[in-house]
Amino acid sequence: QKEVEQNSGPLSVPEGAIASLNCTYSDRGSQSFFWYRQYSGKSPELIMFIYSNGDKEDGRFTAQLNKASQYVSLLIRDSQPSDSATYLCAVGDSSYKLIFGSGTRLLVRP
Amino acid sequence: DAGVTQSPTHLIKTRGQHVTLRCSPISGHKSVSWYQQVLGQGPQFIFQYYEKEERGRGNFPDRFSARQFPNYSSELNVNALLLGDSALYLCASSFALAGEFGYEQYFGPGTRLTVT
Repeated sequence: QKEVEQNSGPLSVPEGAIASLNCTYSDRGSQSFFWYRQYSGKSPELIMFIYSNGDKEDGRFTAQLNKASQYVSLLIRDSQPSDSATYLCAVGDSSYKLIFGSGTRLLVRP
Repeated sequence: DAGVTQSPTHLIKTRGQHVTLRCSPISGHKSVSWYQQVLGQGPQFIFQYYEKEERGRGNFPDRFSARQFPNYSSELNVNALLLGDSALYLCASSFALAGEFGYEQYFGPGTRLTVT
């Protein structure tokens, strides 16, 4: 059973701080990794994807991938109250589907 | 450009009934995937279709079926509804097959199904 694990949170950070969200996965053969943001009552919104080891930056977001450790993370710099949401980690597998974690709830305090 | 669209937005059905959910992908996208999301959990994969062929199936009973049309839109059908089928049903589109080597997926707004 391929699994994606995330801490459910909530992760509470003050406005302006760096939020660090983490995800581990069980399938060593996984090749593609995605972060989605989901506001309450809404559908998931793609915010980052990464395929290679290392860091990928897009604005205030940085995705980090370490395939040897089977670990992917998302850093959000200068966190804003509007970043408060559930962040879903998803991993692509060889059967052409995404496997999602249960999500980490982020709360940014004004 | 329009994003992924889904209909209906909300649906209330009675146990034992049948339901059809519809999805139109982003223009130019040829792959559609269906997911079920229950409260407090991440989306669970149901099906992926690419060029009108089923290319992936999740661990769901045969009561769940889907198809993709020549214009790449898709339907998800669920027969003999159970209370446990109550969930948010999400459609996602991608340019080509999603999963192994990329082709990121973009989600529609979802259909909220309530089975009473």
